Amino acid sequence: SQTIHQWPATLVQPVGSPLSLECTVEGTSNPNLYWYRQAAGRGLQLLFYSVGIGQISSEVPQNLSASRPQDRQFILSSKKLLLSDSGFYLCAWSGPKLVGQQGYQETQYFGPGTRLLVL
Amino acid sequence: AQRVTQPEKLLSVFKGAPVELKCNYSYSGSPELFWYVQYSRQRLQLLLRHISRESIKGFTADLNKGETSFHLKKPFAQEEDSAMYYCALSTPSVSGSRLTFGEGTQLTVNP
Repeated sequence: SQTIHQWPATLVQPVGSPLSLECTVEGTSNPNLYWYRQAAGRGLQLLFYSVGIGQISSEVPQNLSASRPQDRQFILSSKKLLLSDSGFYLCAWSGPKLVGQQGYQETQYFGPGTRLLVL
Repeated sequence: AQRVTQPEKLLSVFKGAPVELKCNYSYSGSPELFWYVQYSRQRLQLLLRHISRESIKGFTADLNKGETSFHLKKPFAQEEDSAMYYCALSTPSVSGSRLTFGEGTQLTVNP
């Protein structure tokens, strides 16, 4: 069966420090991968998604970046954290779209999340 | 652009009472809607999707295109239903699905 892991579970970082959050998926190949941020009172916001190695789409301009060095690995990074980067970060995966498939709406499966506090 | 609105951030009911969590959406295409749930100390997980037309844990949700709504309902709430509920709209793209979430409703079912 498929599983998704995130680490660390919690992280406290000073303003201006770098960030690296990791997400890995097991039991599936060529998944679509997503990074979301869950901020208090603001729901879930899609930050990045990836349909393949090295393919990253950014949804909102921000201080963060994402990379996908391997098929089942998705990394969220920052060179210098801001106070506003604090939040709960969720990674998710969904199955890949099949060639020739018309439309595509697949269930997304979420990781346990990383709680980031920037001080 | 697509948008999902959950007007109630907090909802409190008593055990055995009916519960309805409201969700309205804005989307020019054909909508695909979901309800996700996050129980305390657990992962966000899919509760149900409108295309399945199923009842999960006693919950149902009907897509009303005229009112652009996808309200989640349960006739008799249980204490274990207490959780954060998110309504989500999936929009198809060339490469994959993208979910737009509402702000969530925290449901508390009191004994």
